[in-house]
Amino acid sequence: AQSVTQLGSHVSVSEGALVLLRCNYSSSVPPYLFWYVQYPNQGLQLLLKYTSAATLVKGINGFEAEFKKSETSFHLTKPSAHMSDAAEYFCALTDSNYQLIWGAGTKLIIKP
Amino acid sequence: DTGVSQNPRHKITKRGQNVTFRCDPISEHNRLYWYRQTLGQGPEFLTYFQNEAQLEKSRLLSDRFSAERPKGSFSTLEIQRTEQGDSAMYLCASSAKGLAGLYNEQFFGPGTRLTVL
Repeated sequence: AQSVTQLGSHVSVSEGALVLLRCNYSSSVPPYLFWYVQYPNQGLQLLLKYTSAATLVKGINGFEAEFKKSETSFHLTKPSAHMSDAAEYFCALTDSNYQLIWGAGTKLIIKP
Repeated sequence: DTGVSQNPRHKITKRGQNVTFRCDPISEHNRLYWYRQTLGQGPEFLTYFQNEAQLEKSRLLSDRFSAERPKGSFSTLEIQRTEQGDSAMYLCASSAKGLAGLYNEQFFGPGTRLTVL
């Protein structure tokens, strides 16, 4: 069965510091992987996606993620955190019917 | 604006009442999805349509929930005899086939927040 695990329900970093949000997946087929961001009381916005092309994927707002098959990981990073990055981040993969299987989410807190 | 829209944005109702939500997908997106999200959780799949056909419905979805997409464009989600446990954010998303013929990216609406008193 396919699944997504996000390590850490909350991650706190200082403004200007590196952001690292962890995502590990389990899939019996080559996965398509996504990171979405959700601001309070809003819908989900796609940050970036991996669809079997380049393993290092660049997204919006300075975020990027690297697909590592050997580690079954798709961690999200940003070199320098900004206050506006405070939000909840969800990692997801698609199953064979292109339905999204979601992680539980990681709330990113930015300290001034 | 050509994004996914949902109405209403907020709905407060009393237990036992029926509620209906509407989703307008991005035009020409032939797949439409409904999700439910409770506080601190990821979205939970409810159902999805390809054009007007409802192709899958979550086993977690009780008989009080019904969704339609009569003309393959907008969709409605109805909850009958609401219960307090139905309080959640209801999200709609749409997708279209990409260049590789795959439905890989879903675009989300802002959601409808339901509060059942």
